[in-house]
Amino acid sequence: AQSVTQLGSHVSVSEGALVLLRCNYSSSVPPYLFWYVQYPNQGLQLLLKYTSAATLVKGINGFEAEFKKSETSFHLTKPSAHMSDAAEYFCAVTRPNFNKFYFGSGTKLNVKP
Amino acid sequence: EAGVAQSPRYKIIEKRQSVAFWCNPISGHATLYWYQQILGQGPKLLIQFQNNGVVDDSQLPKDRFSAERLKGVDSTLKIQPAKLEDSAVYLCASSRDRGQGEQYFGPGTRLTVT
Repeated sequence: AQSVTQLGSHVSVSEGALVLLRCNYSSSVPPYLFWYVQYPNQGLQLLLKYTSAATLVKGINGFEAEFKKSETSFHLTKPSAHMSDAAEYFCAVTRPNFNKFYFGSGTKLNVKP
Repeated sequence: EAGVAQSPRYKIIEKRQSVAFWCNPISGHATLYWYQQILGQGPKLLIQFQNNGVVDDSQLPKDRFSAERLKGVDSTLKIQPAKLEDSAVYLCASSRDRGQGEQYFGPGTRLTVT
């Protein structure tokens, strides 16, 4: 079975500050991991994905995430928050050749001026 | 390339009425998914199609929900009769094939059942 836990349903940072959104996964097989972003009244947009290549994955809009097997984590970071980063972020897990995604409950990021 | 299209974007119905949602995936994408996203939660898979066959419908409430994907392209999701707890955003997504992982999402249909 696979699952994802996102710690913190709401995160608030100041513009220019570090963004850290936490995701821990559970998987009995090597996972594929994803971060998606959802802006109000829109669908989900892929930020980045880990599919067993480099453990540090760079995505769009300056975001990156590091796969840490020992910690079963895939936390999302961005060095400097921008007002346009305010949105809801979802972590998801699946396994190779199996496209059923299991999503976390999401983290809403608020960016203060 | 054009993204995943969904209609309508918003729908308000009374309980016990029926409703249908439409999805047109990205051209050439063999796999299509319907998700239900309740406010404050992550998307939950309702049904997954590979071409026009059902791969996974284990979480589809079959007594009231139905879905089809004729000719392996467009898909419709129907709820009949609707309940208050069906209020949610219904997301359609597609992917090129089952092994590549990445899913592309449409804008969703926000359903309100009163």
